[in-house]
Amino acid sequence: DAMVIQNPRYQVTQFGKPVTLSCSQTLNHNVMYWYQQKSSQAPKLLFHYYDKDFNNEADTPDNFQSRRPNTSFCFLDIRSPGLGDAAMYLCATSREGGHYEQYFGPGTRLTVT
Amino acid sequence: AQSVAQPEDQVNVAEGNPLTVKCTYSVSGNPYLFWYVQYPNRGLQFLLKYITGDNLVKGSYGFEAEFNKSQTSFHLKKPSALVSDSALYFCAVREVTNAGKSTFGDGTTLTVKP
Repeated sequence: DAMVIQNPRYQVTQFGKPVTLSCSQTLNHNVMYWYQQKSSQAPKLLFHYYDKDFNNEADTPDNFQSRRPNTSFCFLDIRSPGLGDAAMYLCATSREGGHYEQYFGPGTRLTVT
Repeated sequence: AQSVAQPEDQVNVAEGNPLTVKCTYSVSGNPYLFWYVQYPNRGLQFLLKYITGDNLVKGSYGFEAEFNKSQTSFHLKKPSALVSDSALYFCAVREVTNAGKSTFGDGTTLTVKP
């Protein structure tokens, strides 16, 4: 089945220790998104790629970076995680155009100790 | 700017009874509206959407939603609730652009009791 895969599902890192979360898709969608979700709140968009074009949300901290080396893969790098960065991180994909639904991965739950 | 409101944090219904989860929206222009469901420690799953056409849209797992332009609402409904419908539900509006960024409501926790 075509899908969105996130690895790892659970990640524990130490305060200030860089961490990378990965997302891959077999849907061949050209738009990919990273969301942060805390405590069953609404997902908060961090950034998105439209093909190779990177779009950062204005309120996304500089601590968060992303890479998309090809259509299938996208990475979220947190350079110096703080305790406030503990959350569920969701990757999503979509065909271009707001009339298509988004496909979400299962998420990576990040714990910062 | 677009926005979505889900006025109820929690909805409780008995199994077999109809359920409604409310959503209102604010956009300039025509809205692209979506409902997603999230089970614990999982990503969001698409349920249904309204883009254009019939105001009543049908989706997965027996859910449907009614688009009401005059009331700017898009309420999610199901005629007969199941215990397995218990989950967190998000309403979302997407931008009418290539990237189609979504704005999500704060979510409504639905609990269906046997």
